[in-house]
Amino acid sequence: TQLLEQSPQFLSIQEGENLTVYCNSSSVFSSLQWYRQEPGEGPVLLVTVVTGGEVKKLKRLTFQFGDARKDSSLHITAAQPGDTGLYLCAGSAASGSRLTFGEGTQLTVNP
Amino acid sequence: GAGVSQSPSNKVTEKGKDVELRCDPISGHTALYWYRQSLGQGLEFLIYFQGNSAPDKSGLPSDRFSAERTGGSVSTLTIQRTQQEDSAVYLCASSPTGSGANVLTFGAGSRLTVL
Repeated sequence: TQLLEQSPQFLSIQEGENLTVYCNSSSVFSSLQWYRQEPGEGPVLLVTVVTGGEVKKLKRLTFQFGDARKDSSLHITAAQPGDTGLYLCAGSAASGSRLTFGEGTQLTVNP
Repeated sequence: GAGVSQSPSNKVTEKGKDVELRCDPISGHTALYWYRQSLGQGLEFLIYFQGNSAPDKSGLPSDRFSAERTGGSVSTLTIQRTQQEDSAVYLCASSPTGSGANVLTFGAGSRLTVL
């Protein structure tokens, strides 16, 4: 069974601060995704990374896929209250196979 | 449809009763997934459909859980003789299949409470 470990589990910061969330595994993934989930809703896809070492930027969010395709990080610059939510990483061993999710990082950005 | 639709959005039932949860995927999406999420936790995989067949049902926690998909569209997750530990949000997602990474679109979930 492939496992994804996320850290930290909870993060509470002030508006304007920077933060990094980590997603680690001992398994290799063909692709890794990050989702954001708000209360009462399903997760929404933020980004997919497929190449080892890949870096993708989405406004203030920077996503990195490890060279060995076993880990990933999400960095948020100048966090805003609207960034509050549950951030989930998810990996796929192969195209068309199940996505394995991490336990999530609950981020709270205080005004 | 424009998105993944799940019903009911909330279900409260008594221990021992059977429940059915429904998922309407995005039209044309051939892959359909069921996940379970406990309060504030990550998602636990239950079952994956490709068309009407289920190549991966390894996540179903017991034989009280079953799922079917008909016409390559609507799916129903059935939980028989519900237990309190079945209380969770049941999320459905669909995806167009083909080469490349899975891109899942989730519904809002069905919150199940077993008293």
